Amino acid sequence: DSGVTQTPKHLITATGQRVTLRCSPRSGDLSVYWYQQSLDQGLQFLIHYYNGEERAKGNILERFSAQQFPDLHSELNLSSLELGDSALYFCASSGPDEKLFFGSGTQLSVL
Amino acid sequence: AQKITQTQPGMFVQEKEAVTLDCTYDTSDPSYGLFWYKQPSSGEMIFLIYQGSYDQQNATEGRYSLNFQKARKSANLVISASQLGDSAMYFCAMREWGAQKLVFGQGTRLTINP
Repeated sequence: DSGVTQTPKHLITATGQRVTLRCSPRSGDLSVYWYQQSLDQGLQFLIHYYNGEERAKGNILERFSAQQFPDLHSELNLSSLELGDSALYFCASSGPDEKLFFGSGTQLSVL
Repeated sequence: AQKITQTQPGMFVQEKEAVTLDCTYDTSDPSYGLFWYKQPSSGEMIFLIYQGSYDQQNATEGRYSLNFQKARKSANLVISASQLGDSAMYFCAMREWGAQKLVFGQGTRLTINP
């Protein structure tokens, strides 16, 4: 168990809908990262938050947004969903040693 | 720009044999970290081992060791005495210490045969 909690584990929704993925980092970790894993794109970095502030953006679509709350949990919001958004979404957290530990992921299926 | 290359899409190994998974990287930053993760069929990403660019000795974690050859920009994962449960996808990743993200290779699918 990595200590990073992601909910839900599975999500099935329709095109055009909006969903929210939730992540609780390991105790004491201030950094939260979101990654998307798909068969054609591999593991793609989406966004990084540190102690509530956005630190870096990767290949994140404008339809996607994220935030990190004062209790350090993070949410990834995906809106106007398309078939191509179907993927495994990972959250990871890290502490001072910079090692990233991943949650078990949320499998999103857009039908 | 960061780049990670894993040249072995798939590997098949007999149980109890040692296996080496290849990883080369490209960076101009002298400060970086190298990671290996395991992703079994259940989907989770499991941290295996870490090597910092200034570490003098190769990292080891149980049956896992990292063969770090800095001049060749190589960071191969060695699994000793492979087990059936080692069958999974393995990802090499790198983070430059000025960067805010981990960059992954395409992965190697390892299959351990009984």
